[in-house]
Amino acid sequence: RKEVEQDPGPFNVPEGATVAFNCTYSNSASQSFFWYRQDCRKEPKLLMSVYSSGNEDGRFTAQLNRASQYISLLIRDSKLSDSATYLCVVNLNTGTASKLTFGTGTRLQVTL
Amino acid sequence: NAGVTQTPKFQVLKTGQSMTLQCAQDMNHEYMSWYRQDPGMGLRLIHYSVGAGITDQGEVPNGYNVSRSTTEDFPLRLLSAAPSQTSVYFCASKGPGYGKLFFGSGTQLSVL
Repeated sequence: RKEVEQDPGPFNVPEGATVAFNCTYSNSASQSFFWYRQDCRKEPKLLMSVYSSGNEDGRFTAQLNRASQYISLLIRDSKLSDSATYLCVVNLNTGTASKLTFGTGTRLQVTL
Repeated sequence: NAGVTQTPKFQVLKTGQSMTLQCAQDMNHEYMSWYRQDPGMGLRLIHYSVGAGITDQGEVPNGYNVSRSTTEDFPLRLLSAAPSQTSVYFCASKGPGYGKLFFGSGTQLSVL
């Protein structure tokens, strides 16, 4: 089983739609969680951290379910500019450094 | 605001050749790392460093060397390139705390 698993998609949605991605992780000792966004042929950039109580940043909402070991990202009112690959990232503190494990990403295509 | 500067952007090598990918950051980050990204595999950690003079192996270190003589620079050396090293390489640095990696713009490497 992969340490971090995501549905690769693509998710094709019309502009204005709401779309949700899930990500599961295998190590229950994982301590912190993130969503990164990666545009085609570009570097990943941090979209948002994921907090236990859930958190929102504009049209984006992230949720964490530690019991079931998954995190989610909800995008409301999708824009064309949201088209990208969304990477789930899980952090485990090893003592000397953080171990960040990336999922393979979920591709989103927003259409007119 | 240079952030993380990575060179070259593209490189083609023949099997057996060696080369160095350069990475520099101007944010005074202690943590620096190298990832490779392959289709369907996600980002995989090659080597990382938690400070000048300290390096450690990541998930896929074979065939690569690193050194960290200064806080700013973290070069990645391919000792004898192989076709299996064809990939996109990203350098990243991280400040104190969890999760926010700053990535360079990537190097597309092809080994023939």
